[in-house]
Amino acid sequence: AQKVTQAQTEISVVEKEDVTLDCVYETRDTTYYLFWYKQPPSGELVFLIRRNSFDEQNEISGRYSWNFQKSTSSFNFTITASQVVDSAVYFCALSANTDKLIFGTGTRLQVFP
Amino acid sequence: DAGVTQSPTHLIKTRGQQVTLRCSPKSGHDTVSWYQQALGQGPQFIFQYYEEEERQRGNFPDRFSGHQFPNYSSELNVNALLLGDSALYLCASSPGLADYEQYFGPGTRLTVT
Repeated sequence: AQKVTQAQTEISVVEKEDVTLDCVYETRDTTYYLFWYKQPPSGELVFLIRRNSFDEQNEISGRYSWNFQKSTSSFNFTITASQVVDSAVYFCALSANTDKLIFGTGTRLQVFP
Repeated sequence: DAGVTQSPTHLIKTRGQQVTLRCSPKSGHDTVSWYQQALGQGPQFIFQYYEEEERQRGNFPDRFSGHQFPNYSSELNVNALLLGDSALYLCASSPGLADYEQYFGPGTRLTVT
């Protein structure tokens, strides 16, 4: 069975703090893809990153960074120096052997000024 | 370059009625997937269309059906609406059947009373 778990339901931080959103996944497939999406209050899911299972290199994009560890089946997302505009619900997703996305339940991030 | 568009934005229907939601994919994309997102949950995969055929289907009853047109746009139809069908319906497009990143539209908020 394939599953994505985002144990943090809601996180609140003050602007400029760093914050890490956790994602743990389950799959028996050796080839799979992991994704992060941002969902602001408008509702549209915004694509952030896609990683394949053979690439464990960490990735940094501006204030965003991702840590992929196959040994712990985790794909965590860190926002450095958070800003109010980062407030949203963040979803981790998995696709394996098929391109349907299996989403976690999301983590609501609130950044206060 | 237009992104994924969906219509209508909001819809209110009564139990037992039928509804049709529409989606136009991002330019250059030929694959359309539909997701249902209940309040406070992650999106759930309904089905995917490619070359005007349903390629994959999630765990949804036959009341949910779809269609893809030669111009790659798609419709989602739901018959015999139930209160539990109230949700945000998201359309996503991608440039093929492999594990490409899927780009989402703003969604249609369906309320069943």
